Amino acid sequence: DAGVIQSPRHEVTEMGQEVTLRCKPISGHNSLFWYRQTMMRGLELLIYFNNNVPIDDSGMPEDRFSAKMPNASFSTLKIQPSEPRDSAVYFCASTRGDSFGLFFGSGTQLSVL
Amino acid sequence: QKEVEQDPGPLSVPEGAIVSLNCTYSNSAFQYFMWYRQYSRKGPELLMYTYSSGNKEDGRFTAQVDKSSKYISLFIRDSQPSDSATYLCAPLRTLAQGGSEKLVFGKGTKLTVNP
Repeated sequence: DAGVIQSPRHEVTEMGQEVTLRCKPISGHNSLFWYRQTMMRGLELLIYFNNNVPIDDSGMPEDRFSAKMPNASFSTLKIQPSEPRDSAVYFCASTRGDSFGLFFGSGTQLSVL
Repeated sequence: QKEVEQDPGPLSVPEGAIVSLNCTYSNSAFQYFMWYRQYSRKGPELLMYTYSSGNKEDGRFTAQVDKSSKYISLFIRDSQPSDSATYLCAPLRTLAQGGSEKLVFGKGTKLTVNP
């Protein structure tokens, strides 16, 4: 199995630009999570989906952030407009509903200048 | 009070040392206690987990939970340079509506094992 695949691996953009992060979960996993990691705040849950339906988006910092999961094999996290304080590593993770433990991708390092 | 508190370190030890990593948590509803390991520039990976109180051993690693004091520990025996990573504790509560877990992570402790 290829694991959770995220793209791009690195993204450098200017303040005000739209950023789209992509995730392909492990085949057969029905839950998908988006996390953000910074030195100051650690690993924060932004949103998670169960069977492609958003269950809890209370961690999304503000309306500039949106996430979609159009099908079981693809999800996006969009930031529009981006700001320097959005700079972080964004992780996608997936799991089966009946298993413990999340499988994380390698993350997207986002730098907003 | 934060749900999970973890000393960020960094912690540096010589090869072969016994390492103790700790977390405290505030929510008594947590039932499962996970430890994730994160190598540099990688995503976290599940190392081991325990249910409720008690110990669980897996090779050189031992996870310990004391629910009465809300204290979680991970011990590494005979530490190796390959153990150098950030270790994150993650207590878990199952969701009332069912479905997948919602993990709350500690900030992680960065460990370096020097050869």
